[in-house]
Amino acid sequence: EIVMTQTPLSLSVTPGQPASISCKSTHSLLHSEGKTYLYWYLQKPGQPPQLLIYEVSNRFPGVSDRFSGSGSGTDFTLKISRVEAEDGGVYYCMQSIQLPPTFGGGTKVEIK
Amino acid sequence: EVQLVESGGVVVQPGGSLRLSCAASGFSFDDYTMHWVRQRPGKGLEWVSLISWDGDTTHYRDSVKGRFTISRDNRKNSLFLQMNSLRSEDTALYYCAKDWGLTRYCFDKWGLGTLVTVSS
Repeated sequence: EIVMTQTPLSLSVTPGQPASISCKSTHSLLHSEGKTYLYWYLQKPGQPPQLLIYEVSNRFPGVSDRFSGSGSGTDFTLKISRVEAEDGGVYYCMQSIQLPPTFGGGTKVEIK
Repeated sequence: EVQLVESGGVVVQPGGSLRLSCAASGFSFDDYTMHWVRQRPGKGLEWVSLISWDGDTTHYRDSVKGRFTISRDNRKNSLFLQMNSLRSEDTALYYCAKDWGLTRYCFDKWGLGTLVTVSS
């Protein structure tokens, strides 16, 4: 099973400031077909997760362009350019190159 | 609008059985792979099982293999999870999730979940 490790565990951000979350996997997420199966989800309090980013850097339809993803192989980053109050919650990275799909432990983002 | 509504979660004793259901609407259910994902209280997300659009292919995480069975009824737009030999570590909020279908095992819609508590 591929293990996904996120850092930091939590961060507190002032609205308008940037935020960054790191995600590392124990195996490369680059598939032989050339795609990298790394995703980012946000789970707001009391809600199910919602998809933000797919295949490392592609925003899911309807997701703000304040969110961007980058990385390759085993190291990935989610960045929020200017945090807004609605961005609070727990962010999870997930891999699906190999079954079972596995999630990182989550990064709790608190808006000051 | 896509809707996924889970049901069937209750308090059950260790060793007991339970069947979860997920009613789907707002999309062509029989076109999509479906998943169950769980979240233990206060913890992170854990994928449990998937079933292909036609029900011919299923996969499970190791800890539930031989105990859980995923199935679907495309005529009734419904997904199921039969859970047997339940353990305390199966206590969780169980989400039904739709596979997006445009990439590999990516969940674009989730239900609100149904809570399973395994306790004596």
